Parts: sequence; structure tokens; C-alpha cells
Amino acid sequence: EAGVTQFPSHSVIEKGQTVTLRCDPISGHDNLYWYRRVMGKEIKFLLHFVKESKQDESGMPNNRFLAERTGGTYSTLKVQPAELEDSGVYFCASSQARLTAYEQYFGPGTRLTVT
Amino acid sequence: AQKVTQAQTEISVVEKEDVTLDCVYETRDTTYYLFWYKQPPSGELVFLIRRNSFDEQNEISGRYSWNFQKSTSSFNFTITASQVVDSAVYFCALSEAQSGGFKTIFGAGTRLFVKA
Repeated sequence: EAGVTQFPSHSVIEKGQTVTLRCDPISGHDNLYWYRRVMGKEIKFLLHFVKESKQDESGMPNNRFLAERTGGTYSTLKVQPAELEDSGVYFCASSQARLTAYEQYFGPGTRLTVT
Repeated sequence: AQKVTQAQTEISVVEKEDVTLDCVYETRDTTYYLFWYKQPPSGELVFLIRRNSFDEQNEISGRYSWNFQKSTSSFNFTITASQVVDSAVYFCALSEAQSGGFKTIFGAGTRLFVKA
């Protein structure tokens, strides 16, 4: 069974540019999460989808970040315009239905560098 | 508020030494889950263990063992006879039932160096 995949693995962009990160969850997982780790700090929750609906986006830092999950399958996280402080590793995770929702499987992460 | 503290930023040991990674958590919920994840140099997060708040039994898996103590709100992780391949960043994490178990709170991580 394929795990959570993320694309790209690494992205280097200039301040002010736009970047779109993609996450493909494990097939059949309704729950999809985005997290990020900035500057060696703790990994922080960004948001949670249940199928195509945003369940909790309390961790989104500001309106420069836009997450979508078309058709309840893959998800994208767009940063527009990117700022220096957005540099970090963005992790995606997925989990099954409610009873095992806490068992989250993480992707390899996308390392974003904003220069 | 929920919080996970990993006071050790970096630990360096020599191969075959035992090492314990500390984790202290804060939560007001009575039902919660605790986790340990490993992040090797390749970058992905590898799930190691999950514990729910009602199960205080310690667990051993090969060279890994976990000591969960609710009285001190700690969930420490011990690697016995460490190996170079254990070098990684280790994250302790907490998920509260109140939030549906969805929002996982991570500690800052402990970077473990195991020297040959």
C-alpha cells in the first residue's frame, strides 16, 4: 500500500513568489492534515480536512496560505505571496475514519526555502 | 492549554550506550493519546508508538521502551544499546480526544547523535 506522498520534495523560491505544495493521502483516508516545522522549532498543526471539507483551519498562519482538497482526494497548499518566515518543512498526514483518526500517517515532507 | 515539552535539544552518545529521551506534556483532557515519532536524516516522520491515557503499562519493542507516568505527565523513551542508525530527531506528541484526536501537538524534538 502506498503511503502519503508529497510533491515537490524541495522548493526554493524568492520572496513574493507563489508556491503550491501537493499531498496525496493514503487511498481511502478521509482525514488529511497539514503541519509545518519552521526553523527547527516544533511541528505545528495547520489544518484538517475531512474529505473535501475544512474541519479545522485554526493553525493557518495568515491569509497568504490557501489549502484545498478537490474531490476529497489530494490536497494542495498554496502560499501567495511567500515570505522569508514561511521557510520550513511542510508535512502532510492522513488518517482513516473517526475511530482511528488519531493514527496519522505522515508524508516525507516538502522543504520550502524562501530567499 | 495543551503543550509538549522536550527539554533535551540534542543528545550525543557512543554506540551501545543506553539513552533516554524525556517528554513532559500538559493537557486538561482526561482522554488523550501520546506518540513518539522518529525523523531520520531523509526527512520523513516515522511513527514509533501510540499510547492512550488509560493505558499506563510500559511498553518494550526490541531495543525501544517507553515509560508512561500520568502522575508526572511524562512519556519518556529509552533506546537500549544505541546504534548509529538511531541517529535522528525524535518528536513526542499529544492528541486530545476533545479535539477529536485530530490536532496533534508536537514537542520541539530531540536530536540524537549516536557515534560509532
